[in-house]
Amino acid sequence: DGGITQSPKYLFRKEGQNVTLSCEQNLNHDAMYWYRQDPGQGLRLIYYSQIVNDFQKGDIAEGYSVSREKKESFPLTVTSAQKNPTAFYLCASSLRGENTGELFFGEGSRLTVL
Amino acid sequence: GNSVTQMEGPVTLSEEAFLTINCTYTATGYPSLFWYVQYPGEGLQLLLKATKADDKGSNKGFEATYRKETTSFHLEKGSVQVSDSAVYFCALSEGRSNTGKLIFGQGTTLQVKP
Repeated sequence: DGGITQSPKYLFRKEGQNVTLSCEQNLNHDAMYWYRQDPGQGLRLIYYSQIVNDFQKGDIAEGYSVSREKKESFPLTVTSAQKNPTAFYLCASSLRGENTGELFFGEGSRLTVL
Repeated sequence: GNSVTQMEGPVTLSEEAFLTINCTYTATGYPSLFWYVQYPGEGLQLLLKATKADDKGSNKGFEATYRKETTSFHLEKGSVQVSDSAVYFCALSEGRSNTGKLIFGQGTTLQVKP
């Protein structure tokens, strides 16, 4: 079945460590996104990519990095520079240039910093 | 800048009650409006959308009308079920931009009791 797969579902990290969250899609979508979800704050955009080898910062990119070497994959690295990384991270994808706003989401990865 | 404001939750209703979740927005241009739903432990799913003023989006018994004069997109359902318990997010896309970026409200938790 087509969809978006995020892994791991749960991740624990010690302070000062980098961690990479995986996002893979087989929907043949050009655009991919990373959102962060915190209780009572909705979703905030971290990074997005509309095409392979290109990506743009969202509203809260500091302390995060991404790559887009393949159309299917858009991994997110949470670096030690991110001051408050404990959150629920959601990856999404959409057709490029599609202004209907329909994003397809993965099931999310919950990161906890110990 | 563009923004979305939703009513505070949680909203607690008995089964078969009428539901309204308020959503208002601030935007320049001609945004499209959306309601997404997040069931426990899952990512978000598109519930309904409206792309221009006076459009009504509907799905699974839920409805919302794009009201430009009041900048609102309130979600309604005539008779809720326990299975409707979830977090509901109102969102807008930024007009004619084709980036696919969405701005989300903070989410409203709905709890339906039998």
